Amino acid sequence: DGGITQSPKYLFRKEGQNVTLSCEQNLNHDAMYWYRQDPGQGLRLIYYSQIVNDFQKGDIAEGYSVSREKKESFPLTVTSAQKNPTAFYLCASSIRTEKEAFFGQGTRLTVV
Amino acid sequence: EDQVTQSPEALRLQEGESSSLNCSYTVSGLRGLFWYRQDPGKGPEFLFTLYSAGEEKEKERLKATLTKKESFLHITAPKPEDSATYLCAVQAWGANSKLTFGKGITLSVRP
Repeated sequence: DGGITQSPKYLFRKEGQNVTLSCEQNLNHDAMYWYRQDPGQGLRLIYYSQIVNDFQKGDIAEGYSVSREKKESFPLTVTSAQKNPTAFYLCASSIRTEKEAFFGQGTRLTVV
Repeated sequence: EDQVTQSPEALRLQEGESSSLNCSYTVSGLRGLFWYRQDPGKGPEFLFTLYSAGEEKEKERLKATLTKKESFLHITAPKPEDSATYLCAVQAWGANSKLTFGKGITLSVRP
């Protein structure tokens, strides 16, 4: 089955640690995205990539980093510089940036 | 700056009681408006894309419509399994074709 796989589903991080969230898609989509969802707020764009080896900052990129070395993979690193990292993180992909995006099942990150 | 406002924030319906969810938007030039459904603890599920005023799309009990200022998601004779949060997003023309999301409408359908 084609789709987007995020792992892990739950992640706990100690303050001061970097953690990496995985996102893999087998839909052959060119564009991939990372969003953050907080209670009572709309989804906010962290980073997006339109093609392999290229990515751009979204609205809230500070404290995050990404890479796009392969078409099917777009991992997100939450660094210790992110002041409030506890949130629900969603990865998405689309065949092109102007087409509808399809989402993974999310990773819930909690700082302990 | 693109903005999306969804109303009401929450809606409780009796099974079979039809209603509409509103998505008002301001965008420099609308490329597309998207509706998603999100269940608790899950990722959003794509429902519809609308591109121009007057366009309508249907899927089972759901129908989405679009004007130049807002979109409606009409739910006809809802069932308890339609309970979810419904998200609206807009995309503007331009090199940075990101989606701007509203906060969502939480729909609860009682049997």
